[in-house]
This record gives sequence, structure tokens and C-alpha cells, in this order.
Amino acid sequence: QVQLQESGPGLVKPSETLSLTCTVSGYSISSGYYWGWIRQPPGKGLEWIGNIYQSGSTYSNPSLKNRVTVSVDSSNNQFSLTLNSVTAADTAVYHCARQPRSRPFTWFDPWGQGILVTVSS
Amino acid sequence: EILMTQSPATVSVSPGERATLSCRASQSVGSNLAWYQQTPGQPPRLLIYAASTRATGIPARFSGSGSGTEFTLTIRSLQSEDFAVYYCQHYDNWPTFGGGTKVEIK
Repeated sequence: QVQLQESGPGLVKPSETLSLTCTVSGYSISSGYYWGWIRQPPGKGLEWIGNIYQSGSTYSNPSLKNRVTVSVDSSNNQFSLTLNSVTAADTAVYHCARQPRSRPFTWFDPWGQGILVTVSS
Repeated sequence: EILMTQSPATVSVSPGERATLSCRASQSVGSNLAWYQQTPGQPPRLLIYAASTRATGIPARFSGSGSGTEFTLTIRSLQSEDFAVYYCQHYDNWPTFGGGTKVEIK
């Protein structure tokens, strides 16, 4: 059974960098598929942030204006998200998820539980 | 960006009845459409992908239909655990989600 778990700071100051890691168990990232990040501001809907393939190929949401970097660490079966120059609008629950096809744009299954990141001074 | 619009925002349904949820895309997404269920404090759970294919372990009372720009999620004989928020998501190119439909107890 594939499981994903997000980790990282729950509080980030405005203008600084948000960094999160997703640890995958029950499946080897090196075996394939894309791995993605999605966020959900409190009480609001879902926004796709970006994704990465085991080869390192990445895609990100154009609306995030090049603030996003997604990286992979296959040796530890993890992938990570960095989001630069954060503002209060980046406050959200951040989920990681598997995209169960070897193409960049698919559905997400399963999802991690999510981690709340608050941007505040 | 392809905009996904869900309607209604909230639907009130009695247990045992049927709920019909709609999702409209601002341009054709073919059959590249997924549905998710989210309960409070939980991550979204995949119900349907490819517009009409049930995900593993999803009960047969959930069914999806549609293609192009108009999609429907039907939940037959609502059970207590089905009262939740439902989201559609296209993946024809970079993914976007609908705003959600809340299914509440009537």
C-alpha cells in the first residue's frame, strides 16, 4: 500500500522560502510515475503546484510565476517542494500525491494527509 | 488555464436518495476528468478517473459520465459516509480543480 507523508515547518515568514518534503513508502519513486504537490488554502479549493518524474523532469503551475522548484531524492524515496518569496496568500494545507501514470498530467492517487503551512511574521 | 465550474455549490439530499453533481470545463478536456471526495480533516480521495472509471475500492453507487465540457457525478442511494465535499479536476493539460460541491444531509 502506497503511503505519502509531508514534513516541514508549519510557519514561514513573509518573503522567505517554504520548503517541504514528501516521504513515500510502499512504492519506489525510481519505479516511475510523476509525483505532485497540491495545496488548499483554509476553507477553499484545491490548486495544483507542480510535479516531478523520477528522471527529474518537472512541471509547475504557470500562475505561480517561477517561484516553484520540485526536486527528487530517489535514494531516500522522497521528493521536495520549495516555494520562494512567500506571502500570506501562500498559507494553505500542502498535500503531496502520486500521479499513477508516466505522463505529467493525470489524476492524483493516493494523497498525503497534508501539512498546514502558515505564512506570518 | 482551463476553468472548472461545479454546480450546485451545495446540494441537500436525504440518506438513500440520489445526488447528481455537475462539472463544466471552459474548453474541451476530452475524457481527462477526475472526481474526488473530501471529508473534514482528510485529504481528497480519488473516486473516478477518465470521466467514468471507478478507482480501486470505490463502491458501484458512484458513477461518472460525460466528455468534452460537461461531466456528471452520480451517487445512488446516499450513505452516511457520502456526505462530503466533491471536487472535479481536469488533466488535459496542467491540472485545475472545480470549486467543489458540498453534499449535505437534508
